Amino acid sequence: ELKVEQNPLFLSMQEGKNYTIYCNYSTTSDRLYWYRQDPGKSLESLFVLLSNGAVKQEGRLMASLDTKARLSTLHITAAVHDLSATYFCAVARGWGFGNVLHCGSGTQVIVLP
Amino acid sequence: NAGVTQTPKFQVLKTGQSMTLQCAQDMNHNSMYWYRQDPGMGLRLIYYSASEGTTDKGEVPNGYNVSRLNKREFSLRLESAAPSQTSVYFCASTLRETQFFGPGTRLTVL
Repeated sequence: ELKVEQNPLFLSMQEGKNYTIYCNYSTTSDRLYWYRQDPGKSLESLFVLLSNGAVKQEGRLMASLDTKARLSTLHITAAVHDLSATYFCAVARGWGFGNVLHCGSGTQVIVLP
Repeated sequence: NAGVTQTPKFQVLKTGQSMTLQCAQDMNHNSMYWYRQDPGMGLRLIYYSASEGTTDKGEVPNGYNVSRLNKREFSLRLESAAPSQTSVYFCASTLRETQFFGPGTRLTVL
């Protein structure tokens, strides 16, 4: 069974500081996703990481993937209030499984002034 | 191009009632999915359809049925709703590695 664990589950950030969210998964995976969810809203795709060593950046967010350690990180640089949301990582295996996502529990991020 | 649409947005049912959640996508995607999200948790897969004409059970299929009506539409049916099915339901579709999610249906079963 593929398990995905995120930590921390809750993160209170100060504006202007840097933080990291960690995502560990239990078995070999072919793709790792990061999503953002605002309260009462749907999931917004942030990044798809497809290979070992992959790094993607968008604005203040940077995601990386280490498939050997089965670990992905989401790094937030100089946090701002607009980044307050819940962040989910998810993994998927192969194509024969229909690209089914296995999600972590999410990290609730609050950015304080 | 509306992406993934879901109806209804909100629904309240009494225990034992039935209902169907509708999902449609206009992106010509082959695969479609139904997930549920409970408070403080990530998504859990209920059913998925890798292509038109096929459906498969996910992690939590009990109490649900699905129909892949055509390539565009994938419906989720609760035959006899139970309070444990109170949740937010998301439909998604995918082409290769990118998944697109609908806006969700917030369902309460009393």
